[in-house]
Amino acid sequence: EAGVAQSPRYKIIEKRQSVAFWCNPISGHATLYWYQQILGQGPKLLIQFQNNGVVDDSQLPKDRFSAERLKGVDSTLKIQPAKLEDSAVYLCASSRGTSGNEQFFGPGTRLTVL
Amino acid sequence: QKEVEQDPGPLSVPEGAIVSLNCTYSNSAFQYFMWYRQYSRKGPELLMYTYSSGNKEDGRFTAQVDKSSKYISLFIRDSQPSDSATYLCAMKPDTGRRALTFGSGTRLQVQP
Repeated sequence: EAGVAQSPRYKIIEKRQSVAFWCNPISGHATLYWYQQILGQGPKLLIQFQNNGVVDDSQLPKDRFSAERLKGVDSTLKIQPAKLEDSAVYLCASSRGTSGNEQFFGPGTRLTVL
Repeated sequence: QKEVEQDPGPLSVPEGAIVSLNCTYSNSAFQYFMWYRQYSRKGPELLMYTYSSGNKEDGRFTAQVDKSSKYISLFIRDSQPSDSATYLCAMKPDTGRRALTFGSGTRLQVQP
């Protein structure tokens, strides 16, 4: 079974630029998560989708971050405009059901904002 | 105060040692407790999860939950250099907002 795929793996941008990340979850997984992991910290949930609907986006900075999961499969996370404090690893995870007890993570996209 | 506290380490042990990794938490609503392993520049990998209090064993790994003390542990027996990684605890409630709350991770180094 193929794991969660993410691209790009690394991205360097200047502040105020925009950036987009892509995630393809494990086939058949209904729930998809985007996390932000700042260096030295644990992942923090940004947004959770169940199929193509948003379940939880309470921690998403909606003035600059947006995400979509069209057709209930792959997803994109966008930041516009980026700030220095957005430098982090952006992790995508998926789970088969809705409980979230067994989440499978992708390798992440490491974003550096200069 | 963070909801989940975890000593960042690094924790350095010789190969074959028993490793104890711990987290404390403040939210009594947490019912599910997970342990993830994260190698450098990789995503977290779920090792095991438990519900409520008690022990769970999987191979060389044992997870313990003491809800009365709000304290969870992961024990690794016969540690190997390949166990060198950052270990993250995570937890979530049974109802309401079910997002995982992670600790900041403990870095473990197993010396050959």
